Amino acid sequence: QVQLVQSGAEVKKPGASVKVSCKASGYSLTNYGITWVRQAPGQGLEWMGWIANNGNTNYAQKLQGRVTMTTDISTSTVYMELRSLRSDDTAVYYCSGSFFDSTGYYDYWGQGTLVTVSS
Amino acid sequence: SSELTQPSSVSVSPGQTARIPCSGDALPKQYAYWYQQRPGQAPILVIYKDTERPSGIPERFSGSSSGTTVTLTIRGVQAEDEADYYCQSADTSSTWVFGGGTKLTVL
Repeated sequence: QVQLVQSGAEVKKPGASVKVSCKASGYSLTNYGITWVRQAPGQGLEWMGWIANNGNTNYAQKLQGRVTMTTDISTSTVYMELRSLRSDDTAVYYCSGSFFDSTGYYDYWGQGTLVTVSS
Repeated sequence: SSELTQPSSVSVSPGQTARIPCSGDALPKQYAYWYQQRPGQAPILVIYKDTERPSGIPERFSGSSSGTTVTLTIRGVQAEDEADYYCQSADTSSTWVFGGGTKLTVL
């Protein structure tokens, strides 16, 4: 079955960078993309960006220049790096993947990674 | 980028019908997706492409679209349906956006 397993919680200081991983099993990163979504404490969902199966990326305008998404096909892992962290980057970060096939539409999410930015 | 607007809260009694609207200028041109999120859990897709229901989602969940508004309808609401619900769609610049979320309370 499909699993997206994310790396563990992180605590970072303002100005630092964080790199969150999302390891896929049963989900082909050579065929399908991965989306990153974050959720600040008590707030709604925020779309961060998407990395396609060919490595092309599309980022939310407000994160342009601070976020990079990459894929390591050899380990079936997608990475999301966020730089110049600020306190308002404190959030749970999720990776998700979805695809259509002959039997329907499928949507999968990682368990989430809490990133805390604090001095 | 375009925005999606949802009411912050909706309340219904068990067995009644809950309707959660989501409005946005791009919705006549872009499909909407609906997610359910319970506290402390990852979101779950309940409707895709405006009206389609993924496998495993109860039939009481349905979606509709009219002009700049899409609506998630839950018929025969149950206590387990109490959650936050988010609409999502693509905006005109090929990025995606979520609505602000609606807290569904089952009285």
